Amino acid sequence: EAGVAQSPRYKIIEKRQSVAFWCNPISGHATLYWYQQILGQGPKLLIQFQNNGVVDDSQLPKDRFSAERLKGVDSTLKIQPAKLEDSAVYLCASSLVGGYNEQFFGPGTRLTVL
Amino acid sequence: QKEVEQNSGPLSVPEGAIASLNCTYSDRGSQSFFWYRQYSGKSPELIMSIYSNGDKEDGRFTAQLNKASQYVSLLIRDSQPSDSATYLCAVNGSGNTGKLIFGQGTTLQVKP
Repeated sequence: EAGVAQSPRYKIIEKRQSVAFWCNPISGHATLYWYQQILGQGPKLLIQFQNNGVVDDSQLPKDRFSAERLKGVDSTLKIQPAKLEDSAVYLCASSLVGGYNEQFFGPGTRLTVL
Repeated sequence: QKEVEQNSGPLSVPEGAIASLNCTYSDRGSQSFFWYRQYSGKSPELIMSIYSNGDKEDGRFTAQLNKASQYVSLLIRDSQPSDSATYLCAVNGSGNTGKLIFGQGTTLQVKP
């Protein structure tokens, strides 16, 4: 069974530029999560989708971050404009549904903002 | 008070010893608990999940949960150098939406 796919794996941009990350979850997983992991910290949830609907985006900085999952499968996370403090690893995870189900992570995208 | 607390370490144990990793959480209504292993430069890998009080064993790993004390732990028996990594405790909140709250992780070093 294929795992969670993410691209790109690495991205370096200047501050105020825009960037987009893509995620394809494990086949059949209805719930998709985007996490931000800053060096030395645990992952922090940015947004959770159930199929193509948003379940939780309470910690998403909506003035600069946006995410979509139009067809209920793959998802895109965008940052515009980027700030220095956005430098982090952006992790996508998926689970069968929310609640008790185990979440499985993709390889992540390491973003460096200069 | 942090929602999920772990000692950042490093925790250093000799090869073959038992490593004990601890985690406390603040949300008394939390229902499910997970341990992830994260090697340097890699993404978190799920190694254990536990949902009810008591012990759950899987190979060399044992997860322990005490909801009354709001405490969850991970024991690694016969520790190997390949177990050297950061171990993240994650808790699913009382709303049971799937949102995981992570601790900052404990770095484990297993010395040959």
